[in-house]
Amino acid sequence: QLQLQESGPGLVKPSETLSLTCTVSGGSTSSGSYCWDWMRQAPGKGLEWIGTICYTGNIFYNPSLRSRATVSEDTSRNQFSLKLTSVTAADTAVYHCARHPGSSPIDFWGQGTLVTVSS
Amino acid sequence: DIQVTQSPSTLSASVGDRVTITCRASRNIDLWMAWYQQKPGKVPNLLIYKSSILESGVPSRFSGTGSGTEFTLTISSLQPDDFATYYCHQYNSYSTWTFGQGTKVEVK
Repeated sequence: QLQLQESGPGLVKPSETLSLTCTVSGGSTSSGSYCWDWMRQAPGKGLEWIGTICYTGNIFYNPSLRSRATVSEDTSRNQFSLKLTSVTAADTAVYHCARHPGSSPIDFWGQGTLVTVSS
Repeated sequence: DIQVTQSPSTLSASVGDRVTITCRASRNIDLWMAWYQQKPGKVPNLLIYKSSILESGVPSRFSGTGSGTEFTLTISSLQPDDFATYYCHQYNSYSTWTFGQGTKVEVK
């Protein structure tokens, strides 16, 4: 049974860097034709795609976050990560890691972790 | 970037009603539209992908149609478990993965 678990600080100060890790169990980030995603949802708001790292090694970003976001992978630990620099209160959200097969939409989500940006 | 406009933002309906939600893409995305259902405090659940393909385990009262720029999600007979928020999601290309604003289906 695939499981995705987000981890990282729940509180980040404005202008600092948000760092989150997704640990994959019951599957491998380096096998199969899968891509691994970061999504977020601000309180009471809709869904926003942040970025994706694929089995091909390609990495894609939401153009609106490209200058601040970095998605990377550690296949030895079966993890992938998100760094978001220069955060503001507008980055307060529940952050989800997720998976999608090839040319398909997301079919599996982590439960999410709330990150609050506040001093 | 491809923008997606979803309507309505809120829909009041009763059990047994036929419900329709629409998404319009700012340019041609062929069939690359998916629909998700989300309940409070839960992760989104994939209902339909590639415009009209029902995800395994999703009840047949859900259906999707459309191509190009106009897409529709229909619930043929609304059930108590269907009161939730629905999102469309265009996945035409990674450079512009975007979601609709959401439609909250509430009790009339």
